[in-house]
Amino acid sequence: GESVGLHLPTLSVQEGDNSIINCAYSNSASDYFIWYKQESGKGPQFIIDIRSNMDKRQGQRVTVLLNKTVKHLSLQIAATQPGDSAVYFCAENSPNDYKLSFGAGTTVTVRA
Amino acid sequence: KAGVTQTPRYLIKTRGQQVTLSCSPISGHRSVSWYQQTPGQGLQFLFEYFSETQRNKGNFPGRFSGRQFSNSRSEMNVSTLELGDSALYLCASSHDRVNYGYTFGSGTRLTVV
Repeated sequence: GESVGLHLPTLSVQEGDNSIINCAYSNSASDYFIWYKQESGKGPQFIIDIRSNMDKRQGQRVTVLLNKTVKHLSLQIAATQPGDSAVYFCAENSPNDYKLSFGAGTTVTVRA
Repeated sequence: KAGVTQTPRYLIKTRGQQVTLSCSPISGHRSVSWYQQTPGQGLQFLFEYFSETQRNKGNFPGRFSGRQFSNSRSEMNVSTLELGDSALYLCASSHDRVNYGYTFGSGTRLTVV
């Protein structure tokens, strides 16, 4: 599968392979994290979330990993499909802070 | 269940004009937040309202303002538009806090000419 160790703005992946998208967050007080998918002309769509008392959470074809020691978040997409082509954002939230802080986004392109 | 509805979807304005954007949250959601999305700055938080009270504000000039009505619908206003205000303006609603049902609308694409 395709993976990136550091955040890169783009990721090209072969259909059927696994994808890994990385994100570094800045606020050590953040205790809630979300991954969003944004397709052209649409708003961000919720994929999966994780709270700081967990280090892994799985959904349908997606897994989020959280490493609080190095303030790193990753999204793994299994068996990537053409419909997974989009921009992916990570976002963080800290207690009593009524907003999300977003990462720069990674554009994923799936090759047939 | 209807999602977050933003109107209008597209808007073209001239520099110096003002604009008002509208957001209707998911039924039952009392928190509404606004974000600006541009290619250069990404997604930036503007402000958040809950039960007609602003609870948080981002680092934007005073030309950007908002309000929330008793039915939880929200509007944001930008006065004296600048070219740099061209962006996708996104609204998100939730029951109360971010970690409880936070859902985005499709946005309003504002172009300032």
